[in-house]
Amino acid sequence: QKEVEQNSGPLSVPEGAIASLNCTYSDRGSQSFFWYRQYSGKSPELIMFIYSNGDKEDGRFTAQLNKASQYVSLLIRDSQPSDSATYLCAVIRNSGNTPLVFGKGTRLSVIA
Amino acid sequence: KAGVTQTPRYLIKTRGQQVTLSCSPISGHRSVSWYQQTPGQGLQFLFEYFSETQRNKGNFPGRFSGRQFSNSRSEMNVSTLELGDSALYLCASSRGGGGYNEQFFGPGTRLTVL
Repeated sequence: QKEVEQNSGPLSVPEGAIASLNCTYSDRGSQSFFWYRQYSGKSPELIMFIYSNGDKEDGRFTAQLNKASQYVSLLIRDSQPSDSATYLCAVIRNSGNTPLVFGKGTRLSVIA
Repeated sequence: KAGVTQTPRYLIKTRGQQVTLSCSPISGHRSVSWYQQTPGQGLQFLFEYFSETQRNKGNFPGRFSGRQFSNSRSEMNVSTLELGDSALYLCASSRGGGGYNEQFFGPGTRLTVL
């Protein structure tokens, strides 16, 4: 089992809809969870992080964490064509001094 | 606040050569991590430096090495280049003082090995 798994997509949603991106992780001791957005040809950009169970909202983005089920998700409300990118889930195991482990990303396409 | 910078942005080398990439972290950040990104493998961790010491290391051969200077700038070196080393090399910086640290990426260096 891979440490961090994401559906590679592409996930296609119409403009204005809610995009739901999911990520599961294998290490139950994982502590910190991050979502990065990567446009084609660009470097990853941090958009959300979450450390505690529950929901965390930032503008149109909501991160959801369920440590018991070992999954973290990202919801994008009112999706825009500019949200079309690859979304990478990353996890830090145990303490903050261990490296980020990335999933391979989910490609999101928002159709105008 | 200036972001993470990497030089050079693009590099073309031939097999057997060596290459050095440079990364300047965000001011105040003491941790620099290096990643290799390829279409097939995704983002893979190479190593992390904190206060001039390698703190973590990924599963890469010894041809990949790095170092960090007292001003937190970091370099990574790849010796005896192979075709499979063609990739986007990313560095990311964080405060690195423990706890839950957000990492911020630089624009990357695109390395092509011919």
